[in-house]
Amino acid sequence: GQQVKQSSPSLTVQEGGILILNCDYENDMFDYFAWYKKYPDNSPTLLISVRSNVDKREDGRFTVFLNKSGKHFSLHITASQPEDTAVYLCAAANQGGSAKLIFGEGTKLTVSS
Amino acid sequence: SVLLYQKPNRDICQSGTSLKIQCVADSQVVSMFWYQQFQEQSLMLMATANEGSEATYESGFTKDKFPISRPNLTFSTLTVNNARPGDSSIYFCSSMGGSSYEQYFGPGTRLTVL
Repeated sequence: GQQVKQSSPSLTVQEGGILILNCDYENDMFDYFAWYKKYPDNSPTLLISVRSNVDKREDGRFTVFLNKSGKHFSLHITASQPEDTAVYLCAAANQGGSAKLIFGEGTKLTVSS
Repeated sequence: SVLLYQKPNRDICQSGTSLKIQCVADSQVVSMFWYQQFQEQSLMLMATANEGSEATYESGFTKDKFPISRPNLTFSTLTVNNARPGDSSIYFCSSMGGSSYEQYFGPGTRLTVL
């Protein structure tokens, strides 16, 4: 089964707005959680990540929140810009084990001006 | 961080043929992985390339179809055997970067099977 799930295949937001992307996971052993940005046919680039010992990490307009008991993590983007239009992939790994990164299906974000 | 290079950038082949995709890291890395792009936007983990031993495959991927070699800590090759149109996709190699837990990706190899 799909170990990492993104419930929204697509999302549209107005420029300047705040958006939240959600991700659920199944494996209790995951201890590393990340969000990647991806353009069509390009490789993903890391946006922000957290280890399981923190529940929040902020980097500029991007904040990731981790809820371990709920097996859920989210990406908040503030002051959205047209350049944020891309596919956003959540991913998780058991860094203490195999370290292999498992991706969600992705959310296609469109920021309209 | 680590830089990963892939060769070729793209390839077109006929059904039933085999082709190789190479991945080179600019420094020694412990873990190397191969991914297949799916649904045109996400990545499916195919296998973990283990240095000096057989690769570890994920469900749905086999060593007969996708043999992987990893002769040293900077290099890996993915082969697509008996290619079919359904294998048309973009293939990415990835690795963790040094002491960081962050994972980096090669630029991808676009494969088209006719």
